[in-house]
Amino acid sequence: EAEVAQSPRYKITEKSQAVAFWCDPISGHATLYWYRQILGQGPELLVQFQDESVVDDSQLPKDRFSAERLKGVDSTLKIQPAELGDSAMYLCASSPGGVTEAFFGQGTRLTVV
Amino acid sequence: EDQVTQSPEALRLQEGESSSLNCSYTVSGLRGLFWYRQDPGKGPEFLFTLYSAGEEKEKERLKATLTKKESFLHITAPKPEDSATYLCAARRAGSARQLTFGSGTQLTVLP
Repeated sequence: EAEVAQSPRYKITEKSQAVAFWCDPISGHATLYWYRQILGQGPELLVQFQDESVVDDSQLPKDRFSAERLKGVDSTLKIQPAELGDSAMYLCASSPGGVTEAFFGQGTRLTVV
Repeated sequence: EDQVTQSPEALRLQEGESSSLNCSYTVSGLRGLFWYRQDPGKGPEFLFTLYSAGEEKEKERLKATLTKKESFLHITAPKPEDSATYLCAARRAGSARQLTFGSGTQLTVLP
């Protein structure tokens, strides 16, 4: 069964360091999402790609966060510098596009110390 | 602004005690209402998609329904393995068709 792959599963980093997360969506899925989920809350959209283009990054803190999907396949989310408040689960999801459901990876649990 | 509100925040049931979870939404031009199950430390697992008022979907002990303002997830005779957080999400119309999530209902089913 096709899955969204994310790595690493866990990451501990010191405040002010740089950190990067990788996501490989389900093959053929044009839409890719990065969400942040704080414990006890629902996922919050950070950025949405349609193929290689960003279609929504209105909630992405652009002073420290960046995301790319250069060839319209896999994607990288970067934080530089990391802050204590960035500790959360970072989830990647993909969908074929349109109005279909999104499928999630297992997430990256980030702890900033 | 799109809003998705889930209630209750937490629900404890005895095994076999049926109940319903609520998801109310305010979304411009709904283009899909989605239910997910999330186990601790894992990503959300897709359960159902509903597109129009009156639509129903079923899977094992779960049934999802949709009206013009809210959706319900009915759990019939739950088992301890149904314990999880249940999330709903609404997709709006528009070029980006953003997907907005509620905060979830944490369900605990006691044996």
